[in-house]
Amino acid sequence: GENVEQHPSTLSVQEGDSAVIKCTYSDSASNYFPWYKQELGKRPQLIIDIRSNVGEKKDQRIAVTLNKTAKHFSLHITETQPEDSAVYFCAASLYGGSQGNLIFGKGTKLSVKP
Amino acid sequence: DTEVTQTPKHLVMGMTNKKSLKCEQHMGHRAMYWYKQKAKKPPELMFVYSYEKLSINESVPSRFSPECPNSSLLNLHLHALQPEDSALYLCASSRQILATQYFGPGTRLTVL
Repeated sequence: GENVEQHPSTLSVQEGDSAVIKCTYSDSASNYFPWYKQELGKRPQLIIDIRSNVGEKKDQRIAVTLNKTAKHFSLHITETQPEDSAVYFCAASLYGGSQGNLIFGKGTKLSVKP
Repeated sequence: DTEVTQTPKHLVMGMTNKKSLKCEQHMGHRAMYWYKQKAKKPPELMFVYSYEKLSINESVPSRFSPECPNSSLLNLHLHALQPEDSALYLCASSRQILATQYFGPGTRLTVL
C-alpha cells in the first residue's frame, strides 16, 4: 500500500521568510496530492492540491511542486505571516479510483515568528 | 451551503453509554468519510460511503457503527467505547469517491 513520508516534523521561520515542506510517496500509481492546513482545534482545510499530469501549481503565496520520477512533492510558502502558523499535512491517493484512501503524512508544525 | 457540519462539537460519554455523531452536507457530494484523529497525529480513515453504500471499512472495531441514511447525512453510532477511543472524529465529503475531500469541524469525543 501507499506510504507517505513528510519532513520536517517541525519548522520555525521568521515572518517574511519562505517555508518548504517535503513529502515522498511510495506508490507510483498515486496521482493526486492535496495539502491540508490544520490550526489548533480546527478542521483540516485544503489549501492546494496537484494532480500527476501537472508539475507545479501556484496560488498566491502558496505553491506545490511534484516530481513523479522521484516520487516527491513539496509545499512552498513565500512571505510567511504569523497566521500561517499551523500543522500542515500532505497526502497522496489514487484520484478517481475505487478506493477512498487519502494517505496522510505525519504532519509538519510550522511556526512563524513575528 | 458549501460546508460540512458536524454535531455535537463536544461529547463526553461513559464506557457503557450509547451515543451518535452526526454529519451533514448539502453540496450534492456522493462520497462521505469518517476519520479519527488523535492529538498531534494525522487523520486516520475509518469508513467511506459512496452513493450511500459502505465502500471501505478500515478494520474498525464493531463498537463503531456507521450509517448513511441518505446522500446528505452520515452518522457514527458509538457503543461500549474505551478511553483510548477519545479523539477528534472528523467527517469529510467529496463530489465522488476520492475527489477533493472537505472536512467538517469535528466532534471532540472524551470517553471516561
